[in-house]
Order: sequence, then C-alpha cells, then structure tokens
Amino acid sequence: QQQVKQSPQSLIVQKGGISIINCAYENTAFDYFPWYQQFPGKGPALLIAIRPDVSEKKEGRFTISFNKSAKQFSLHIMDSQPGDSATYFCAASMWGAGNNRKLIWGLGTSLAVNP
Amino acid sequence: EAQVTQNPRYLITVTGKKLTVTCSQNMNHEYMSWYRQDPGLGLRQIYYSMNVEVTDKGDVPEGYKVSRKEKRNFPLILESPSPNQTSLYFCASRGGAREQYFGPGTRLTVT
Repeated sequence: QQQVKQSPQSLIVQKGGISIINCAYENTAFDYFPWYQQFPGKGPALLIAIRPDVSEKKEGRFTISFNKSAKQFSLHIMDSQPGDSATYFCAASMWGAGNNRKLIWGLGTSLAVNP
Repeated sequence: EAQVTQNPRYLITVTGKKLTVTCSQNMNHEYMSWYRQDPGLGLRQIYYSMNVEVTDKGDVPEGYKVSRKEKRNFPLILESPSPNQTSLYFCASRGGAREQYFGPGTRLTVT
C-alpha cells in the first residue's frame, strides 16, 4: 500500500525555470515531511523538510508548500539549474511500533534540467 | 568527515552463496537501518536497529538477517541469496534528530 503518492514520475525543465513536484499522503499521524535528493551512484541526501504546523518553508532556491487540509505538499525549485538534475523523493515520517521512527517514501521524480 | 560507508559497492553472486554487506557510521548514531531500492517500488526498509543488540524487522525482512554488536557497525547478511534480492541497498543512520544519513549504496546482482 503506497501511503505517499508522488508526481510526476519524470520532469524536464529548462534552465532558469521552476520545477514543481507534488506529493499526497493519507495518514494524518505523519508529523514530518522531508524531501531527499539523490544523484546517480549516491545515496539519498536530505534537501529540505517541513512539519505540518507550517505552511511553507524556504531554503535558498528550494521551497516546500504544505497544505494540511488537503494532505498535500510540494517541492518548488526556483531558477532550476543543470546541477539540480537528480531524482527527488518526498517522504512522510511518523512514530511506528517499538519506538521506531518510520519513514514512508514516495516513488521518486527524475528531474532533468536542460541547459 | 561524518559519513556512512558501505562495502562492497558492487557485488555479483550466485544463488545460495552467503554474503555480507557491511555498514559503518562514524557519527555515534544509535539508530541504523537498511533499505532496498527497486524501480517502481521506491525505498523499502528491511531491518532497523535502535541501539546495540536491539534490532527489529522493517517492511521487507524476509531473506535477510542483521546484527548490531557494535554501535558503529550494522552488517546485512543474506544467508541464501535469491535472484529476487537483486537490488540497490542503502544503509542509513540517525542520531537524535529526524534526519537520516545514507551510505553510497551497494548494487547487488544475484544470478
């Protein structure tokens, strides 16, 4: 059961454009929503994260918009650069059984930024 | 440099031949976990460990074993690998904060 749905699966953007990736979740017990960036041959790395009591968080060119009532959140990459070309994963985190911090992942978006 | 290391990075083996993928972190993190990444399925947790000698199953533990005898090491053991365990494996660790740090990955092929 996929609890975090991510779209689109792939995205092509021109340099300088805005990249937008969307995610939706179902479980209201999630209390932390990170975005990870993964380059080929590397492990995922935390890019930016938000808690559900905040509607927006911005770090440089990266912004998370969070809509708690719609159970949706999105990543916006402003002024997209070729170096942003990577796979992006949204995730949702909650406390699971045995005091385990459980992380549920979206399936990823492959972003290509054309020069 | 704070990091999670995995070895080997690439491994091709045959069905039934026991193998171990090592994972080590130098951040003194208590929490460590193993994931596998498959196209169309995303990342799925195999096992996790809350501390030394404390391990538990994740979402897809069948066919895997782990041990946590030292805080820094968390090896993944496949006692009898099968082709459906061909995948990209990531080890991760986490301290008190929510952020997980991932290793570079181990690409395993079982023929």
